[in-house]
Amino acid sequence: DTGVSQDPRHKITKRGQNVTFRCDPISEHNRLYWYRQTLGQGPEFLTYFQNEAQLEKSRLLSDRFSAERPKGSFSTLEIQRTEQGDSAMYLCASSQTGTSGTWEQFFGPGTRLTVL
Amino acid sequence: AQKITQTQPGMFVQEKEAVTLDCTYDTSDPSYGLFWYKQPSSGEMIFLIYQGSYDQQNATEGRYSLNFQKARKSANLVISASQLGDSAMYFCAMRLGSTLGRLYFGRGTQLTVWP
Repeated sequence: DTGVSQDPRHKITKRGQNVTFRCDPISEHNRLYWYRQTLGQGPEFLTYFQNEAQLEKSRLLSDRFSAERPKGSFSTLEIQRTEQGDSAMYLCASSQTGTSGTWEQFFGPGTRLTVL
Repeated sequence: AQKITQTQPGMFVQEKEAVTLDCTYDTSDPSYGLFWYKQPSSGEMIFLIYQGSYDQQNATEGRYSLNFQKARKSANLVISASQLGDSAMYFCAMRLGSTLGRLYFGRGTQLTVWP
């Protein structure tokens, strides 16, 4: 039973470049979440999907950010025209919804983005 | 607006002792869930324990227990018999029952266990 995986684990880019991150959730999980975490802070919600539908987007998700989950399995998060303020850890999580249970979110190892 | 407050930036405890990490929350939603996650230096968030707003009893998972005081809107994590491996960042988080979606996180408490 594999957990949530994210690729790449680290990304260094120059300001103005585009970057794309991938997240593979736990296989039977229908929900997938993206969070951003800066140093000394808790994770901040960005967006989440149920299957392929994007159900909620945070106001933090500016027009430069876009996320997709085309077939309801893996998801990509793209940041266009990166800025130094985008430097953070990007965390992906997945959960399984149902009629009972805690529906806890399982997190991946994160992608650390550094914008120079 | 939903909010989680963790007032202890850092806590220190001696090995084998118990420690309580504080968490208060604020929401007008009558249905919600409270979570605690552990984040070691490696960065991965590890789920520890969950308490639902309608649960009558405090949640327990091994050495972890959640001291849920609904009237005070507090959900403190108690770790018994601390181990060196418990040294990590601990986050309290809340999920609203009306959406069952995003988690709202606090700023975390850095726990250091010393021998």
